[in-house]
Amino acid sequence: DGGITQSPKYLFRKEGQNVTLSCEQNLNHDAMYWYRQDPGQGLRLIYYSQIVNDFQKGDIAEGYSVSREKKESFPLTVTSAQKNPTAFYLCASAAGTEEKLFFGSGTQLSVL
Amino acid sequence: LAKTTQPISMDSYEGQEVNITCSHNNIATNDYITWYQQFPSQGPRFIIQGYKTKVTNEVASLFIPADRKSSTLSLPRVSLSDTAVYYCLVGDRTGANNLFFGTGTRLTVIP
Repeated sequence: DGGITQSPKYLFRKEGQNVTLSCEQNLNHDAMYWYRQDPGQGLRLIYYSQIVNDFQKGDIAEGYSVSREKKESFPLTVTSAQKNPTAFYLCASAAGTEEKLFFGSGTQLSVL
Repeated sequence: LAKTTQPISMDSYEGQEVNITCSHNNIATNDYITWYQQFPSQGPRFIIQGYKTKVTNEVASLFIPADRKSSTLSLPRVSLSDTAVYYCLVGDRTGANNLFFGTGTRLTVIP
């Protein structure tokens, strides 16, 4: 089945530690996105990539980094510079000419 | 940036039709209007999309007036499983920052 896979479902970070959230899609979509969602809030854009080897900062990129070496993969690293990383992280993708986003099932990140 | 405004919450009884209106006064010519549904601890799911007039699919209808400054999502005969948060999204994706998710409308369906 085609879709977006995020892993792990739950992740715990220690102080000063970098952690990486995985996002893989087999929909052959060009564009991929990372959003952060805090409890009771909407989604805020962290980074997005419209094409392989290119990505752009969203509204809240500070403390995060991404790479887009393959079309299928768009991993997000939460660095130690992100002082409040506890949130629900959602990855999405979209085809080149469509306006419809397909979302993964999310990763809940918590700080130990 | 075509930001959107929606009611924070709505309640409805099972079997009723629910209409959720979204305001987007600054919508641009190239912007589409898209609605998503989100259940707790899950990613949003696409419901319906439109540009103007009326769009209908198997789960919902979307009404867009001629000036496109608002849109209304209509859910016919809701059931308990329709309890979720509904987001109205306006944008054209050429600049992903245009894809602004507000806080959404929390719909609670009552038995």
